[in-house]
Amino acid sequence: EVQLVESGGGLVQPGESLRLSCAASGFTFSDHYMDWVRQAPGKGLEWVGRIRKKTNSYTTEYAASVKGRFTVSRDDSKNSLYLQMSSLRIEDTAVYHCVYVVMLTSIPYLVFWGQGTLVTVSS
Amino acid sequence: DIQLTQSPSFLSASVGDRVTITCRASQDISTYLAWYQQKPRKAPKLLIYAASTLQSGVTSRFSGSGSGTELTLTISSLQPEDFATYYCQQLKAYPLTFGGGTKVEIK
Repeated sequence: EVQLVESGGGLVQPGESLRLSCAASGFTFSDHYMDWVRQAPGKGLEWVGRIRKKTNSYTTEYAASVKGRFTVSRDDSKNSLYLQMSSLRIEDTAVYHCVYVVMLTSIPYLVFWGQGTLVTVSS
Repeated sequence: DIQLTQSPSFLSASVGDRVTITCRASQDISTYLAWYQQKPRKAPKLLIYAASTLQSGVTSRFSGSGSGTELTLTISSLQPEDFATYYCQQLKAYPLTFGGGTKVEIK
């Protein structure tokens, strides 16, 4: 059974940094791309970023709203995904979901989502 | 960036109704589209990928169609467990983008 458990959320002030973690189990973590998607309170979904697997050189993609401030990384030896967030803004307040990506029809689709961890940026 | 516009944004329907949600893309996305269902305080669930392929374990009440700039999600006979918010997502180009969502409520 696939499980994704996010942690590290909390209350921070604008300009501060925070690191989110996602512990994965139930699948071969190293074989898959992984994504982060966020959802501000009462709002829709916003894709944050992606990290590919080792055979794709762990390359990353980001939404324009977080590029240069957020970094997605992974540790395949620990089956863990990370989101390092810096220069946080009030508009970064959201639940952050870790997402397991699977190649379907040769396209990476977001197949399974963790429950998320809440990040609140407020002074 | 590719913009996705869902319509309607809110839909009131009865059990047994046939429901259609439309996702319009600002440029041609072929069939690089997914549909998700999200219930309150729950993570989204993948329903359909490649515009029309049902994800494993998803009821056949759901179907997807279309390509290019207009794609649709249809629920053939709405059931109580289908009341939720639905999102489309394009996977044609980065950054990946979502539609604004369609909330389906009980009439």
